[in-house]
Amino acid sequence: AQSVTQLGSHVSVSEGALVLLRCNYSSSVPPYLFWYVQYPNQGLQLLLKYTTGATLVKGINGFEAEFKKSETSFHLTKPSAHMSDAAEYFCAVSVITNFGNEKLTFGTGTRLTIIP
Amino acid sequence: DGGITQSPKYLFRKEGQNVTLSCEQNLNHDAMYWYRQDPGQGLRLIYYSQIVNDFQKGDIAEGYSVSREKKESFPLTVTSAQKNPTAFYLCASSMRGRNTEAFFGQGTRLTVV
Repeated sequence: AQSVTQLGSHVSVSEGALVLLRCNYSSSVPPYLFWYVQYPNQGLQLLLKYTTGATLVKGINGFEAEFKKSETSFHLTKPSAHMSDAAEYFCAVSVITNFGNEKLTFGTGTRLTIIP
Repeated sequence: DGGITQSPKYLFRKEGQNVTLSCEQNLNHDAMYWYRQDPGQGLRLIYYSQIVNDFQKGDIAEGYSVSREKKESFPLTVTSAQKNPTAFYLCASSMRGRNTEAFFGQGTRLTVV
């Protein structure tokens, strides 16, 4: 079965420091991977996605992620954290069900705190 | 503007009552989804629908029901059979295909009183 695992339910970084949020996937077929961000009491917003092609994917708000097949990873990074980056981040993989439908399976999320 | 609208934003329910959460989209998306969010558990799929008049159970469908009579609408009913319904509920929609992103509503916070 296809799934994602997010390492670290809480991450704290200082303002201006590197942000690294970890996501590992499990998939028997080429994975389609996504990162979403959620601000308090709101829905989710897409940060970036990997489908095919270039393995380094750039998203909104200065975030990027690199697909590494050998490590089954899709970690999210940002060179310099900003206070506005404080939110919860979810990694997700698109899977095909037994009925041939598509659905997104999410990780358990990582709450990012920015220290002034 | 195009998007997904969930209503109400906050909902209170007495034990033993059924409640229906509304989800409407004007993005012309075929697929719609309902997720439940609990602290530390991420998003868990309740039901999803790829076309009108068809839907499938997700990972935690027990105690919930849905309908898909119109492309734009995918209401979720939380029945009295759902033993722990207090949670944040998110509706999403997308085009068909594994490489398409899902668009989310703002969520409904349901509290049992």
